Parts: sequence; C-alpha cells; structure tokens
Amino acid sequence: DTGVSQNPRHKITKRGQNVTFRCDPISEHNRLYWYRQTLGQGPEFLTYFQNEAQLEKSRLLSDRFSAERPKGSFSTLEIQRTEQGDSAMYLCASSSGPRQNTEAFFGQGTRLTVV
Amino acid sequence: AQSVAQPEDQVNVAEGNPLTVKCTYSVSGNPYLFWYVQYPNRGLQFLLKYITGDNLVKGSYGFEAEFNKSQTSFHLKKPSALVSDSALYFCAVRPKGNTGFQKLVFGTGTRLLVSP
Repeated sequence: DTGVSQNPRHKITKRGQNVTFRCDPISEHNRLYWYRQTLGQGPEFLTYFQNEAQLEKSRLLSDRFSAERPKGSFSTLEIQRTEQGDSAMYLCASSSGPRQNTEAFFGQGTRLTVV
Repeated sequence: AQSVAQPEDQVNVAEGNPLTVKCTYSVSGNPYLFWYVQYPNRGLQFLLKYITGDNLVKGSYGFEAEFNKSQTSFHLKKPSALVSDSALYFCAVRPKGNTGFQKLVFGTGTRLLVSP
C-alpha cells in the first residue's frame, strides 16, 4: 500500500495519560502535516514538517502536544496529560514539494477517546 | 485571516439530477482551492484543485468545480449524481505567495445525500 498510514486507528485512554500516534507518509513525500478533526467540523491544522524540520505550528498545539519527524520519514504526535477535550480524530497528510499547489494525501486517521 | 464557508450543512439530491455543493472563501491575495471527500471510516480523498487558468476545473469521479474570483466562490458540481456520491465534502483554501505557508484551511463540510 502506497498511501499514508496511521497507527493506531483507535485509541482509548484515561485522562492524564500520555499517548503517541505514528504516521508513515507516502514514500518520498517531503512534506507532512498533522490535523485534528472533531465531530461536525472540518480538519484543523496542527503542524507541518518539511523533511525533518517543523516549519509551522498552530496555536492549537499547546505545550502538551509535541510532534517529531526525526529522519524526515515517519512522524509521531505525542499528547501528554490528555484531557477530555483532546478527544478527536487526528489526521496525518503528506505532499510533495517544492510547489505550494500540490495536493495533500490524507491517512485514515487515529481516533482518540479520552475517558 | 483565511476562512472557508460552506453554507449548507446538507444537500439532498435525487440520483441522476445535477448537484452543487457551495463554497466561498476569504483570503488575502490569490488562493489555491481544493475539494476533498470523506466517506465513513475513511480518510479525506482529494477530488480536485484550482491553481490558475481555466475557471472550470475537472476532477475525479466526474466532479468539477467553478472558480469565481469576483464572488470568491468555488462551488463543486456534478451533472448527474450517483447514490455512491453520498459522503461528506470539504472545501479548503491555501493562500498563494508565501511558500512557507503550507496549511490548508477547511470549511465545516457539507453532507451530500443522494437518494435512489
């Protein structure tokens, strides 16, 4: 499969626990994005990597959130001390550069439920 | 700030009839515009995009969209709807110019229901 892969697909955690999600982008896509989608809303941008460099971060990304893309390939998104408001679908996408007009390809997402 | 409005939460159409899903945007400068579709338990799938040139853009599954700069709109259209087109549709914008600005700004989505 050559699409964007996200793991796990579902995660249920207790409030206060830490969780980590993984995203494997399409091979050779140098750009990688994380979005969050809540019920009834469109995806909201969280952060963006070009290769291993994190170039944009949304104000939505509080200090409890951290994302990495250590070798410019897969990426991880960690949420520390989860809160019920963190419950959402976390989407990863990738695209090829350098042009700005290339479309992003999305994974199926990781659905997080904080109980 | 950039924003996208999808004024209809839901659009109902009978199979075989034409469909339109509306999108208007607000962005400084000229935008890149995108449509994505989301099926249940599936990720967002790219349908089409407007970059420049011809205002009518053709995409996947028979969909097309018309860019109207004066009305700041990018409505999604299909001449003949299929029941299988029933899904959630998102319009998104990315402003041109600053190559470091890569994020997509999405609308809230429009649910399309095509009845047999």
